[in-house]
Amino acid sequence: KQEVTQIPAALSVPEGENLVLNCSFTDSAIYNLQWFRQDPGKGLTSLLLIQSSQREQTSGRLNASLDKSSGRSTLYIAASQPGDSATYLCAASGNTPLVFGKGTRLSVIA
Amino acid sequence: SQTIHQWPATLVQPVGSPLSLECTVEGTSNPNLYWYRQAAGRGLQLLFYSVGIGQISSEVPQNLSASRPQDRQFILSSKKLLLSDSGFYLCAWSVQENNEKLFFGSGTQLSVL
Repeated sequence: KQEVTQIPAALSVPEGENLVLNCSFTDSAIYNLQWFRQDPGKGLTSLLLIQSSQREQTSGRLNASLDKSSGRSTLYIAASQPGDSATYLCAASGNTPLVFGKGTRLSVIA
Repeated sequence: SQTIHQWPATLVQPVGSPLSLECTVEGTSNPNLYWYRQAAGRGLQLLFYSVGIGQISSEVPQNLSASRPQDRQFILSSKKLLLSDSGFYLCAWSVQENNEKLFFGSGTQLSVL
């Protein structure tokens, strides 16, 4: 059974800092790995999707990487801004629907 | 473009009362549909998913049920709510492919008192 873990659970950084969020999964037989953003009391917004055959995806200041062999993915946020404050969740898709981690709550301090 | 509608946004219900949450998708046909629940400290839990009309898969045995009476309509129900049913309920859809990206509704905050 797929299990997804995100570390750290919470992170606070000063504005302008580059940061990395970590995600690990137990079953490497995935179709894709997705990163989402969730603002308080809101639904999830898809940020990046990495297919199992890909190593990374980029969108603006966001870069997500995937290493299936080690069961890890990272989300890199460059030049963080207060507007980046939110909870970031990763999810792995395999033979069953997406399995989510519990998320990392990010606070970017101005 | 595709949109997903979920309502109501907030709901306060007494224990033992029935529940009906509705979700509709526009701008696509034959989507996969999902109901998730997000409880504090427990992450996002998949409750039900559907690949077609009348086809429902349940991931977790519980006090809830789901139905898909139309292609783009997904309903979450309960005959008698429990305190433990409180949480943030999210509907989502995806294209029917293995590499699907998931799109979420805005969620319903359910408080059972």
